[in-house]
Amino acid sequence: ETGVTQSPTHLIKTRGQQVTLRCSSQSGHNTVSWYQQALGQGPQFIFQYYREEENGRGNFPPRFSGLQFPNYSSELNVNALELDDSALYLCASSFYRSPYGYTFGSGTRLTVV
Amino acid sequence: RKEVEQDPGPFNVPEGATVAFNCTYSNSASQSFFWYRQDCRKEPKLLMSVYSSGNEDGRFTAQLNRASQYISLLIRDSKLSDSATYLCVVNSDAGNMLTFGGGTRLMVKP
Repeated sequence: ETGVTQSPTHLIKTRGQQVTLRCSSQSGHNTVSWYQQALGQGPQFIFQYYREEENGRGNFPPRFSGLQFPNYSSELNVNALELDDSALYLCASSFYRSPYGYTFGSGTRLTVV
Repeated sequence: RKEVEQDPGPFNVPEGATVAFNCTYSNSASQSFFWYRQDCRKEPKLLMSVYSSGNEDGRFTAQLNRASQYISLLIRDSKLSDSATYLCVVNSDAGNMLTFGGGTRLMVKP
């Protein structure tokens, strides 16, 4: 069974740039969720994708967008990066409408300078 | 007010001690409850689900009080390897969005 993999592991970007983070879901899972974890805080829900459509969104501005592909992998795109976007971005895969069996990837650490 | 609140700690305890963490949640419609463990600079990993009847997994016991909207985690006979951040997690919607507390940091000392 393949777990959740994320790439890249670390990234440094300049304020105003755009970034794309990638996630491949665990085998058998059909839903991907993205979370942002700032230093010293718990993860915050960004959005979730199921059947290649956004299926719920947290309190994040539209410059945070995503995609899900037919193989259930996903991308998170952030435009016009701000310093406060510096965080660990976590991808989690699961079965649709089930909070059980969530599997997190090891995350992408984004630093905006 | 945050939807899930935890004491951030840190809790510094000696090996072998018993330690308890508490968590409160604000959404009375919450349906599923979990404790996750997160090691430094790593991803969260499920420690255990929490049920109204209470549940135990080895040295770990979790309790849920729906009336008080309160969740607890008890760790007995603490080990050095228990040092981590413990995240209280709630699922409140019909889907599977998880809402995390800020985490409680535990440091077990020799």
